[in-house]
Amino acid sequence: DQQVKQNSPSLSVQEGRISILNCDYTNSMFDYFLWYKKYPAEGPTFLISISSIKDKNEDGRFTVFLNKSAKHLSLHIVPSQPGDSAVYFCAAITNYGGSQGNLIFGKGTKLSVKP
Amino acid sequence: EADIYQTPRYLVIGTGKKITLECSQTMGHDKMYWYQQDPGMELHLIHYSYGVNSTEKGDLSSESTVSRIRTEHFPLTLESARPSHTSQYLCASSGGLNYGYTFGSGTRLTVV
Repeated sequence: DQQVKQNSPSLSVQEGRISILNCDYTNSMFDYFLWYKKYPAEGPTFLISISSIKDKNEDGRFTVFLNKSAKHLSLHIVPSQPGDSAVYFCAAITNYGGSQGNLIFGKGTKLSVKP
Repeated sequence: EADIYQTPRYLVIGTGKKITLECSQTMGHDKMYWYQQDPGMELHLIHYSYGVNSTEKGDLSSESTVSRIRTEHFPLTLESARPSHTSQYLCASSGGLNYGYTFGSGTRLTVV
């Protein structure tokens, strides 16, 4: 059973517009969430994260929103650029009293930003 | 500059050969991981280690084995490669709470 779900396999957006990537989770014990970006034939690179005690974290063009009651998070990219075209993975992790669990990844969403 | 290194980046090898994929990190991280990813598919955890002489199997069953004799080194071995092992193998390490994972560039393995 998937604990982290990215229900949209792909998303196409025009350059300059907003990209919104969604992620849902089922495990209420997750307390830290991360987004990774992956180009083909490369390893994922860390993009932005958010703790469960916050509902928003912003870093330049990237903002992550967390809705704990809905067990939902989203990544907003504004404005979108062609270089943002990649696969985006949502990931979640639990911290049990100082002991970190393993990162759980979603299946990814392929973002295409068209010039 | 990458702090976690994987070699080789690409490998094409014949069926039945023994191969070792190398992974080294210079960050002093205790936790290291191996993921397998087919094109367009999710990342599957196949092995992890929480420290020297500690290795565990991940969520996805794999015929590969790993070892952790030194903190910085976490090699993955396939004793007899098969075409079904063709995939991308990603190594990662973690420094602890809320640090997330740092990934290497991956090894693209093709078994013919």
